[in-house]
Amino acid sequence: DAGVTQSPTHLIKTRGQQVTLRCSPKSGHDTVSWYQQALGQGPQFIFQYYEEEERQRGNFPDRFSGHQFPNYSSELNVNALLLGDSALYLCASGTSGRPNEQFFGPGTRLTVL
Amino acid sequence: QKEVEQDPGPLSVPEGAIVSLNCTYSNSAFQYFMWYRQYSRKGPELLMYTYSSGNKEDGRFTAQVDKSSKYISLFIRDSQPSDSATYLCAMSLSGSARQLTFGSGTQLTVLP
Repeated sequence: DAGVTQSPTHLIKTRGQQVTLRCSPKSGHDTVSWYQQALGQGPQFIFQYYEEEERQRGNFPDRFSGHQFPNYSSELNVNALLLGDSALYLCASGTSGRPNEQFFGPGTRLTVL
Repeated sequence: QKEVEQDPGPLSVPEGAIVSLNCTYSNSAFQYFMWYRQYSRKGPELLMYTYSSGNKEDGRFTAQVDKSSKYISLFIRDSQPSDSATYLCAMSLSGSARQLTFGSGTQLTVLP
């Protein structure tokens, strides 16, 4: 049973560019959440998608947007990249019936130069 | 002040020791409490999940929640070198909220 998968594993961009990160949830899961983890810090909640809609959002600017597809996979888009956006971006999936049990993927490490 | 505070360590113990990891929090509305283990350059792995106050045991791991003190703990018995990782506490509200609020993590090294 495949767990949560994310692509790409690493990405290098320059300031001002745009980036798209992808996530496939664990089989049987219908919710996808995105988190940003800076070096030496805990993950920070960006937003969660359920039934193709953004259900909850953390304290992140509108430059961060997302999408969930009918097969429950998800994308995170970040526009106008800043140096401070360099971080590990984590996707977590779960089920609507057990919303607090979230299972994380390996993450995408984004470096902004 | 952060909503969730966690001693960053690093914490070094000999193999076989009992490890105690702790978090304090300020939001009394938190109802669900989780512990995650994160190996270097990997995503967090869910270890323990508890609701409200009380204890929960799973093998060598015991999670404790004291809501009156806003304090949660994770105990690891008979620690192994493979337990060396960063341990993150996380918590969330009841109801429809799904957002997890994390501590900053405690780095643990178990020496053989």
